[in-house]
Amino acid sequence: AQTIHQWPVAEIKAVGSPLSLGCTIKGKSSPNLYWYWQATGGTLQQLFYSITVGQVESVVQLNLSASRPKDDQFILSTEKLLLSHSGFYLCAWGTGENTLYFGAGTRLSVL
Amino acid sequence: QQKVQQSPESLTVSEGAMASLNCTFSDRSSDNFRWYRQHSGKGLEVLVSIFSDGEKEEGSFTAHLNRASLHVFLHIREPQPSDSALYLCAVGCNYNVGDNSKLIWGLGTSLVVNP
Repeated sequence: AQTIHQWPVAEIKAVGSPLSLGCTIKGKSSPNLYWYWQATGGTLQQLFYSITVGQVESVVQLNLSASRPKDDQFILSTEKLLLSHSGFYLCAWGTGENTLYFGAGTRLSVL
Repeated sequence: QQKVQQSPESLTVSEGAMASLNCTFSDRSSDNFRWYRQHSGKGLEVLVSIFSDGEKEEGSFTAHLNRASLHVFLHIREPQPSDSALYLCAVGCNYNVGDNSKLIWGLGTSLVVNP
């Protein structure tokens, strides 16, 4: 069975500080991977997707970057956090039936 | 630009009573629809995906798609208090395996199931 693990579970960070969020998928080779963001009270927005190692496509510009250093790993990061980065970050992997399976998410509070 | 709206915004039902959630979309060429739910502070759980008009059942969840009327419903049979969560509808068009930006999400219906 496939498992998806996100870390950390929650973060409280200061404006201007760096951020790194991680996501690991086990039990699925060469998965399509996605980062989503949900502002408090807002809808889900896709940020990035990756079909293969080393290749990441940006969907929404939010002063964030993503990398896929390994087949089963997807990293979301920024060098300088903004207040507007607060929210819930979800990593997901996709199937051939176009269904997404999400991790438990990381709640980020930027103060 | 595709718009996806969900109603009601919140719904309270008693345990065992059918719960029905509505999702309205604006693009008739949409070709994939899915329902997810999110327990508070948790990730999203896929419930049911549907790609053609009619019904699709997954356990106690049934999706009903009517593209002519631009609606996709979710019916929850005999809901339990553990089904209390935010239910999200996502609609896609000309799906591209890599680019999920074509998946447009509603804001959700908050369901509370009372014992």
